[in-house]
Amino acid sequence: DAGVIQSPRHEVTEMGQEVTLRCKPISGHNSLFWYRQTMMRGLELLIYFNNNVPIDDSGMPEDRFSAKMPNASFSTLKIQPSEPRDSAVYFCASSLPGNEQFFGPGTRLTVL
Amino acid sequence: AQTVTQSQPEMSVQEAETVTLSCTYDTSESNYYLFWYKQPPSRQMILVIRQEAYKQQNATENRFSVNFQKAAKSFSLKISDSQLGDTAMYFCAFPMNTGFQKLVFGTGTRLLVSP
Repeated sequence: DAGVIQSPRHEVTEMGQEVTLRCKPISGHNSLFWYRQTMMRGLELLIYFNNNVPIDDSGMPEDRFSAKMPNASFSTLKIQPSEPRDSAVYFCASSLPGNEQFFGPGTRLTVL
Repeated sequence: AQTVTQSQPEMSVQEAETVTLSCTYDTSESNYYLFWYKQPPSRQMILVIRQEAYKQQNATENRFSVNFQKAAKSFSLKISDSQLGDTAMYFCAFPMNTGFQKLVFGTGTRLLVSP
């Protein structure tokens, strides 16, 4: 299995631009999670989906953040407009219900 | 509210030695899982070990084992015969909902294994 796939691995953009992060979960996993990791706040859960349905988005920091899962094999996290404080590593993870989560390699986002 | 505390920001150990990383948590649940994740410099989050709270036996995965004290709400990770490749950040994680899906992570312990 290829594991969780994220793209891009690195993204550098300017403040105000739209950023889209992509994730392909492990085949057969029906839960998908988006996390953000920063030095100040550690690893935070932003949103998670079960069977493509958003279950809990209470961790999404602002309306500038949105996430979608149009099918079982693809999810996006979008930031519009981006701000320098959004600079972080964004992880996608997937799991079977009630089981351990498997993480992707992360996307390092830098907003100038 | 469920919380996870890792009180050791950094630890150092020499190759082949044993090191124990501590983690405490707070919950009112009776049935849950606990996890240790490793994040090497590559930043990939890798599951090291998991423990089911209903099991009295401590989980073991090769050189990694846990000391799970349910009453004390303690979940420490022991790494035996440390190797250079064990150098990483280690995070204790605990599910904060009954579906075991909303993980809350500790602040991490940075482990340095030296020759």
